[in-house]
Amino acid sequence: EPEVTQTPSHQVTQMGQEVILRCVPISNHLYFYWYRQILGQKVEFLVSFYNNEISEKSEIFDDQFSVERPDGSNFTLKIRSTKLEDSAMYFCASSDWGRGSYEQYFGPGTRLTVT
Amino acid sequence: LAKTTQPISMDSYEGQEVNITCSHNNIATNDYITWYQQFPSQGPRFIIQGYKTKVTNEVASLFIPADRKSSTLSLPRVSLSDTAVYYCLVGDINSGNTPLVFGKGTRLSVIA
Repeated sequence: EPEVTQTPSHQVTQMGQEVILRCVPISNHLYFYWYRQILGQKVEFLVSFYNNEISEKSEIFDDQFSVERPDGSNFTLKIRSTKLEDSAMYFCASSDWGRGSYEQYFGPGTRLTVT
Repeated sequence: LAKTTQPISMDSYEGQEVNITCSHNNIATNDYITWYQQFPSQGPRFIIQGYKTKVTNEVASLFIPADRKSSTLSLPRVSLSDTAVYYCLVGDINSGNTPLVFGKGTRLSVIA
């Protein structure tokens, strides 16, 4: 069964550093998403991406964040200058129009720890 | 998006059937009901979706009464590996790349 993959599984960085989280969505999917989950809290939407542009973004997704699909397979989330409060699990997801937008496939996540 | 209410937690013994009910009083005509499961330190996983009456797959059943103001996720004969958080989401699945809005979900603990 095809699946979403994410790398790295765990990233430790110092405050103020830039990090790039990588995702490979399911190959025939057209819609891509990033979510995050702070330890013990809800899964929160960050951004959705379709046709090489951002479709929607939440208030969390400020100027420190950016997304890119550089080569037709990878989907990346960049945080330019990390803050302590960016420590969380970051999940990438993808979906296929044919199955409807609520059937999203999530990756295993990247645990980001900012020290 | 319709607001949903579900129990914060439930406990069950192995082998029992578990029913988790979700209330969604302001569900709209085009809305579907979708359930996700999340194991610790993993991403949410889609398990079932329905519009009305009953839907069954290899994992669970979903019961939706005629007024659609609530729904019940039924897990037959749970095992320890069903310990997870279960989320009920309600929305129009045909509205493009809709971001999912997760609540706190129901934390199911299965006891041996």
